[in-house]
Order: sequence, then structure tokens, then C-alpha cells
Amino acid sequence: GAGVSQTPSNKVTEKGKYVELRCDPISGHTALYWYRQSLGQGPEFLIYFQGTGAADDSGLPNDRFFAVRPEGSVSTLKIQRTERGDSAVYLCASSTMGGPGEQFFGPGTRLTVL
Amino acid sequence: DQQVKQNSPSLSVQEGRISILNCDYTNSMFDYFLWYKKYPAEGPTFLISISSIKDKNEDGRFTVFLNKSAKHLSLHIVPSQPGDSAVYFCAALGGSNYKLTFGKGTLLTVNP
Repeated sequence: GAGVSQTPSNKVTEKGKYVELRCDPISGHTALYWYRQSLGQGPEFLIYFQGTGAADDSGLPNDRFFAVRPEGSVSTLKIQRTERGDSAVYLCASSTMGGPGEQFFGPGTRLTVL
Repeated sequence: DQQVKQNSPSLSVQEGRISILNCDYTNSMFDYFLWYKKYPAEGPTFLISISSIKDKNEDGRFTVFLNKSAKHLSLHIVPSQPGDSAVYFCAALGGSNYKLTFGKGTLLTVNP
């Protein structure tokens, strides 16, 4: 079956612009996660959704970052007033439920802020 | 500060030999550990996991060993194959049961 998909695969923007990154989880997965992977680092947790609600957004670096999942499926990560330090690969993952089970990752969106 | 540490950025082995990837952690709350494999331009894919109540878990060519007293785990791949060439991430869960904490990864190259 289809895995986690993310669009766009690459996004280049200018400092100060607004961007939206989309994640389509595996059908039926209730849990959805966003991670950010900076160059030379491992993925870092940003936010976790269980259904439509953000159960844990403690990893969002500041209030320029916001994520939604209005119907409990597709999620959008929104970044306002982008900064060069936001450049990274943004990874989305989903799982059947929040817990120590396997998280299935998408290919990521590579964001470059010029 | 890094709570999960993979101190070897890269490792090169010959096909057919054993690959040993190491991981150390500092947070005593971690109680579940996972290894993910990542190819370029793809997301990480789950490889194998181990609960803190065990000290070994085996799945085919892959075995993970956990030494709780040393806060150390290792992934053994034997025999190594060229298709195993990828970045391997060690990750941990604890406290919450969903927030993965990753190491920086180790690039494994298996030479034919």
C-alpha cells in the first residue's frame, strides 16, 4: 500500500516568506509526527498529533511554527517569517497509534531559506 | 546536549564481514530503543528494536544488544552486504512513548 507522502519534495524560499509543508499519512494511521533534520544531525521531534489534536507540540522551536491536522488525516506544517536557520529536511511520520510501535517516515521536504 | 550519541560518523566494512554500529545514551528514562536505516532522499525506515527488559533481539542478519548498566547498545549486521550501505540512526523512547530521540547517525559503507 501507499506509504507516507510529503509535498513538495523541495522548497526554496526567501527569508521572511511563509511556507506550508504537507504530509499525507498512511491511511488509517491515527498518530502523526513531524520531525526536523538539520545538516549533520539526526531527526528532532517537533509535534505529535493523535487524531485531529496536537497531543504534544513541545518540539516546535518558536511561535513561527504551527501545524494542523483538521480532519485527522493530512497535516500541514506552517512556518511564518522564515529564517535561514529554518533550512532543513522536514520529516513526517505516522503510526497506528501513539506508542513504541514503528513510526513510518515519509521522504521529507527539503526546505532552503535564502 | 545529545541524549543519544553515535560517536562514529562513518564505518567501512568488507562484504561478508560483520558490521558493528554503536550507540550510547545518557537519559535513564529511556526504556525502548530502535534502529532506523536511511538511504539518500528517502525517509528513515525501521530496522529493529529492543525493550529495556531484554538484552538482545535478533532478526535475521540484524541483532541489537543492550547493556543497560553501561547505557550502551549496538547493532550487529552479519554478514554485511553492499545493499546495507546507508546511514543508521539509533533512537530512543522514554517518558513519553512516542517522542523519538535520535542520534546523529553513522554512515555504513559495505565494500564488495
